[in-house]
Amino acid sequence: AQSVTQLGSHVSVSEGALVLLRCNYSSSVPPYLFWYVQYPNQGLQLLLKYTSAATLVKGINGFEAEFKKSETSFHLTKPSAHMSDAAEYFCAVSDRSGNTPLVFGKGTRLSVIA
Amino acid sequence: EPEVTQTPSHQVTQMGQEVILRCVPISNHLYFYWYRQILGQKVEFLVSFYNNEISEKSEIFDDQFSVERPDGSNFTLKIRSTKLEDSAMYFCASSVNRGLGNSPLHFGNGTRLTVT
Repeated sequence: AQSVTQLGSHVSVSEGALVLLRCNYSSSVPPYLFWYVQYPNQGLQLLLKYTSAATLVKGINGFEAEFKKSETSFHLTKPSAHMSDAAEYFCAVSDRSGNTPLVFGKGTRLSVIA
Repeated sequence: EPEVTQTPSHQVTQMGQEVILRCVPISNHLYFYWYRQILGQKVEFLVSFYNNEISEKSEIFDDQFSVERPDGSNFTLKIRSTKLEDSAMYFCASSVNRGLGNSPLHFGNGTRLTVT
């Protein structure tokens, strides 16, 4: 069975500071990994995905994530936080066969302080 | 850009009542899903649907739940007799293919169900 663990239910950063949201996965087979973002009163929007090409994946809005097999991690980063980045961020995992559904973490709420 | 639409955005119902949550997936997508998120908890998979039948369901998706694609555009989730613990945000999603690497899920904005 696959799972993801997001460390920290709430992260607060100053505007312009580095954003680091942590995600560790557990999978017995090579996974696909995803980050989704949920803005207030909106659905889940795909930020980026890892599908075994480059280990450093760039997404929308300046976010990127690096797949580290040795650490079973897929942390999300952004060099400089913007007020509009305040949202809930979800890490998710699936296997490559498509035979298992997407499994989400609990989410991390990002607050950006002016 | 095409999007998944869900109605209503908020539904309040009394315990024991039936509710139907509605979704219009993206038109060329073939796989449809329902997820739910109880306040403060994980987004949990409920069911996937393809070719007019359930392809997979979780333990949560018991006999009180059902899904249907009544016409060519709508995809519905019915809860036959709601319980307090069914209160959650319900998300509909769709994808072109089943393999999520090249065909990620597109989610709707969700329906917040409140059971009183």
